[in-house]
Amino acid sequence: DAKTTQPNSMESNEEEPVHLPCNHSTISGTDYIHWYRQLPSQGPEYVIHGLTSNVNNRMASLAIAEDRKSSTLILHRATLRDAAVYYCILRDRTSGTYKYIFGTGTRLKVLA
Amino acid sequence: DGGITQSPKYLFRKEGQNVTLSCEQNLNHDAMYWYRQDPGQGLRLIYYSQIVNDFQKGDIAEGYSVSREKKESFPLTVTSAQKNPTAFYLCASSTDRGSNQPQHFGDGTRLSIL
Repeated sequence: DAKTTQPNSMESNEEEPVHLPCNHSTISGTDYIHWYRQLPSQGPEYVIHGLTSNVNNRMASLAIAEDRKSSTLILHRATLRDAAVYYCILRDRTSGTYKYIFGTGTRLKVLA
Repeated sequence: DGGITQSPKYLFRKEGQNVTLSCEQNLNHDAMYWYRQDPGQGLRLIYYSQIVNDFQKGDIAEGYSVSREKKESFPLTVTSAQKNPTAFYLCASSTDRGSNQPQHFGDGTRLSIL
């Protein structure tokens, strides 16, 4: 299975940038890297995804290492509403099907 | 607005009882998924369906059953064979079974045992 490794928790001050790391050393050549976040008692929310190049959208930026074995989700200015569990996910193709393997994610605390 | 609707939000099951969780989507998505989430844990895949009238077991399918008679609907039944059903259940859908398109999630159903 394609797995990811993330720190259990991180803290950030409000209005400051946050860099959430993810290691995925077993990534396959064509697997996309997806990021989701989950607020308490809600379903996960899509944040961003990418393959090789850095990606930007209105929510965040995704920086992907040249060897693709790690990536970093960047929140440019953390707000209290960004406090959530962030999941870095690879699509698992080993069984011939297409599904996501969720780890335990990184719990982000934003301090006012 | 388009999205995924899960109902009910909270559900209680008695011992030996089957219960069915509803999941409806109006996004015209082909693929639908059911996940289970235990406290402090990530999501684990129960069942998924890539097309109407077809579905596959995920990693923890024992004690669960599904049907996919319509594109919009993918109900999950938690049977009495599932001995530890207390969890947060999440339904998701995506545009294509083999694509890298993101999954869209509902707001979940929290199931508890009476």
